[in-house]
Amino acid sequence: SQQGEEDPQALSIQEGENATMNCSYKTSINNLQWYRQNSGRGLVHLILIRSNEREKHSGRLRVTLDTSKKSSSLLITASRAADTASYFCATALIQGAQKLVFGQGTRLTINP
Amino acid sequence: SAVISQKPSRDICQRGTSLTIQCQVDSQVTMMFWYRQQPGQSLTLIATANQGSEATYESGFVIDKFPISRPNLTFSTLTVSNMSPEDSSIYLCSVRTGGTGEQFFGPGTRLTVL
Repeated sequence: SQQGEEDPQALSIQEGENATMNCSYKTSINNLQWYRQNSGRGLVHLILIRSNEREKHSGRLRVTLDTSKKSSSLLITASRAADTASYFCATALIQGAQKLVFGQGTRLTINP
Repeated sequence: SAVISQKPSRDICQRGTSLTIQCQVDSQVTMMFWYRQQPGQSLTLIATANQGSEATYESGFVIDKFPISRPNLTFSTLTVSNMSPEDSSIYLCSVRTGGTGEQFFGPGTRLTVL
């Protein structure tokens, strides 16, 4: 079963606005990673945040992690049409091979 | 990061046949994984490909249906056997690099079974 749940499932905003996507998970994690997928192609790795980190930035991306609430958020600032894609969070479990378990994803549409 | 290639990029197959998907990485990696993404769905881990030993399968996936080879630290294959239309999915190879724990994905193989 999926570890993570993402909301919203779909988000549509105007170009230039900020987009926020949320991810919740159930069990303790080693890290959490965010990915982008364009039109059913391969996944592009965006950012990894470790369980002992609270916030990370990469360009227009800001990721937060709250382990007490078992949740993370991905903020994309000043959105562009090219940001239109599906975004997935994936949690690396502490046990075993730290395999990644994916959330259901958020479909983001940026309207020009 | 790692550069991952997969072959074929897509295929259309008849039910009852088998397809072998290849995954090549540009550097040696310890951990390689195979995922499936059914239409409109998220990714589900099929198995961890172990170098020199049998793959470790997740619940719901069996070796007879999805045999995996990992002959060295840069290459792996996944075979989808005795295919049915329900096997129509994108199959993705993934690797985890050493210290950072970041996990990268190949471009995927889009399989359609008629």
